[in-house]
Amino acid sequence: DVKVTQSSRYLVKRTGEKVFLECVQDMDHENMFWYRQDPGLGLRLIYFSYDVKMKEKGDIPEGYSVSREKKERFSLILESASTNQTSMYLCASRRTGGGYTFGSGTRLTVV
Amino acid sequence: TQLLEQSPQFLSIQEGENLTVYCNSSSVFSSLQWYRQEPGEGPVLLVTVVTGGEVKKLKRLTFQFGDARKDSSLHITAAQPGDTGLYLCAGAGAGGTSYGKLTFGQGTILTVHP
Repeated sequence: DVKVTQSSRYLVKRTGEKVFLECVQDMDHENMFWYRQDPGLGLRLIYFSYDVKMKEKGDIPEGYSVSREKKERFSLILESASTNQTSMYLCASRRTGGGYTFGSGTRLTVV
Repeated sequence: TQLLEQSPQFLSIQEGENLTVYCNSSSVFSSLQWYRQEPGEGPVLLVTVVTGGEVKKLKRLTFQFGDARKDSSLHITAAQPGDTGLYLCAGAGAGGTSYGKLTFGQGTILTVHP
């Protein structure tokens, strides 16, 4: 069964900490995405990557960065966590022309 | 930025009733997808519609893509408690460099009472 695995289901971090969210897919997909999901706002795209070492900003990239050193792994980095980054973070991967496969999400709380 | 307006935001019905969820935009999409998400999990793809006017059926769920590829609807017949969840529509950009980025609607929280 194909899978997108996010390293943590729940995280609690302090304001100002550097936070790493990891995502791994086993489907050899070219495209990977990071979204955040907030009530009433739906899913908003933070960053995406269409190939190893390639990245593009999404709609809300401020305060985030990403890394894709290997095809199967796409990391989201919060450089200095703030309380307004408390959210559900969803990683997804997609082969060209196909639908998304999502991970189970990481619920991040910044205190 | 392409926007998708999804309605209604909340839907609470009794088992056996029918319902329709709408997804509208002023933009044209190359395809439109519907996802279902359960609490604590990521969204799961239900269907992709590509051609204007296309209708797809998945058991009691009927999906339709508008002729102009700007809108879509999800109709559920004889809803069951197991249909409870968050339903999301998502459109893929029509541009050649979109890399499959999806624009999501705000979602519809459906609750089906026994």
